Amino acid sequence: GAVVSQHPSWVICKSGTSVKIECRSLDFQATTMFWYRQFPKQSLMLMATSNEGSKATYEQGVEKDKFLINHASLTLSTLTVTSAHPEDSSFYICSARDGASGGAPYFGPGTRLLVL
Amino acid sequence: DQQVKQNSPSLSVQEGRISILNCDYTNSMFDYFLWYKKYPAEGPTFLISISSIKDKNEDGRFTVFLNKSAKHLSLHIVPSQPGDSAVYFCAASSKGDGNKLVFGAGTILRVKS
Repeated sequence: GAVVSQHPSWVICKSGTSVKIECRSLDFQATTMFWYRQFPKQSLMLMATSNEGSKATYEQGVEKDKFLINHASLTLSTLTVTSAHPEDSSFYICSARDGASGGAPYFGPGTRLLVL
Repeated sequence: DQQVKQNSPSLSVQEGRISILNCDYTNSMFDYFLWYKKYPAEGPTFLISISSIKDKNEDGRFTVFLNKSAKHLSLHIVPSQPGDSAVYFCAASSKGDGNKLVFGAGTILRVKS
């Protein structure tokens, strides 16, 4: 089946640094990818929709200047957490949908971010 | 405002019996519903989905039922197996909103052997 990968799987960084997370669709092309965040014991919250070749669409309450999204190709979207702070520590998950075959979105394995 | 609600935080079932996970939604524009299974520190895995034009979809041990008038859907797992123990998320989307998934809070299922 379709596979979505994320890199890195976990990252620890100092407060004030920026962290880049990659999301790749491995065997299909995705014009749209989605970025979610999950806090402990909570649901997945959609942060933004990443559109290939155009600007991302952010959900209400999500700072676009803090969470930079770039969808440079049909198989890669990146999320950069700029000037990370401890409250940004979370589990970040991306998803992508195979536009050619349709069907349910597939999710990556997630990236655990810990900001010290 | 929670558009998708899973009111049972947890469910415990004996192996071999039926597991029934429930989900309610408030947005009448939702036209596609999905169930995902998730283990800690992993991404969700797709299980089964249903379109709003149907009221039932079955795939092996998993069956999803949709009651549009009640804005309610449920996932039945029968027979339940210990490997089914995980967090189950209900999600919904609408074509008019770019097919973005809105997730419920999840239900922890424990299948006892």
